[in-house]
Amino acid sequence: QVQLQESGPGLVQPSQTVSLTCSVSGDSISSDNYYWSWIRQPAGKALEWIGRIDTSGSTNYNPSLNSRLTISLDTSKRQFSLKLSSVTAADTAVYYCARGSGGSYFFHWGQGTLVTVSS
Amino acid sequence: DIQLTQSPSFLSASVGDRVTVTCRASQGISRYLAWYRQKPGKAPELLISAASTLQSGVPSRFSGSGSGTEFTLTISSLQPEDFVTYYCQQLNSYPITFGQGTRLEIK
Repeated sequence: QVQLQESGPGLVQPSQTVSLTCSVSGDSISSDNYYWSWIRQPAGKALEWIGRIDTSGSTNYNPSLNSRLTISLDTSKRQFSLKLSSVTAADTAVYYCARGSGGSYFFHWGQGTLVTVSS
Repeated sequence: DIQLTQSPSFLSASVGDRVTVTCRASQGISRYLAWYRQKPGKAPELLISAASTLQSGVPSRFSGSGSGTEFTLTISSLQPEDFVTYYCQQLNSYPITFGQGTRLEIK
């Protein structure tokens, strides 16, 4: 059974870059059948898809974040990562990593990690 | 972007009730729609894919239907653990989008 686990700083200062990593265990991160996504959720609000990467390194980003976002994949470490630059309080949210398949149905999720942007 | 509008946003019901949640897309998405259940403090759980395919392990009281721009999630007999929040998601085109959520509350 695949398991995903997010890690990263809980607190980030405004205008800085937040870096999060998702570690994958229990299955191959290199399979062509899967896509690796980031999704976030501000407290009490709806889910927002951030972007995804496939095993070839091809990415799709949410246009609302595109200019500040980088998602990368490290198959040797069984990890994929998110970097979001120039953060503001509006980026405060629980960030989830997820595995998509059959397109982008999210069958497997990490437990989520809270990122707070504050000075 | 394709906007998904769920109705209602809040639904008050009792254990044993049959309820229906609607998800309307701003443009046609064929059957590229999923439903998730999210318990407080937890990641969402995929219930239904391709508008009506029940995922393994999901109770049969859940069902989905629809195509194009209008979709429904029906729970035939509410159980206590069902009083949480539900989201629809479209994957017809990028960016992937979610509805605003429907919160089920115990009456």
